[in-house]
Amino acid sequence: GDSVTQMEGPVTLSEEAFLTINCTYTATGYPSLFWYVQYPGEGLQLLLKATKADDKGSNKGFEATYRKETTSFHLEKGSVQVSDSAVYFCALRGSGGGGNKLTFGTGTQLKVEL
Amino acid sequence: GAVVSQHPSRVICKSGTSVKIECRSLDFQATTMFWYRQFPKKSLMLMATSNEGSKATYEQGVEKDKFLINHASLTLSTLTVTSAHPEDSSFYICSVFQTNTQYFGPGTRLTVL
Repeated sequence: GDSVTQMEGPVTLSEEAFLTINCTYTATGYPSLFWYVQYPGEGLQLLLKATKADDKGSNKGFEATYRKETTSFHLEKGSVQVSDSAVYFCALRGSGGGGNKLTFGTGTQLKVEL
Repeated sequence: GAVVSQHPSRVICKSGTSVKIECRSLDFQATTMFWYRQFPKKSLMLMATSNEGSKATYEQGVEKDKFLINHASLTLSTLTVTSAHPEDSSFYICSVFQTNTQYFGPGTRLTVL
């Protein structure tokens, strides 16, 4: 079945550092890929998405490129801020018969310090 | 994207009581809503898919008699945790599906004493 693998956290960075959170997936066909962010005590917010190979999703300085050849969707940001501290989830929606269900990775906690 | 609300945001109840959690789609008529459960420092586990006007579809291992889902209108789905026990304490999150994307509510923290 479909699966998503994320790098384990927590990831601790200094403000203005470069961020990469790795995400790889296993799925048949052509899934849609998503990054969600969860701030403490809150639900998930859609951060960005990509629906086909080589698409780049971007939002709030974050970017991720759908790489079918490496089955990856790594999240990057050039300069993180303390306000980016949160848990980041990579997810996919399969193109098969699973309907509109999302398969999530385990989440990566990011801590940004001054 | 779609705006989703949940009520209550936090609830504490005694063991053996039932708790109802509401999920509302505020700006979108949602024929499908999803209910997730999140354990501390863990990912989200899909519990069930709520379909307006029909029975919910539960994931394997989720007790449908324990977690009652009613999707009575295009803007409201409810999750009732029946005869709650401490092991049901968790963060429950709903979502709606719109234009190839799921949009999530803010979550409900349930604590069963």
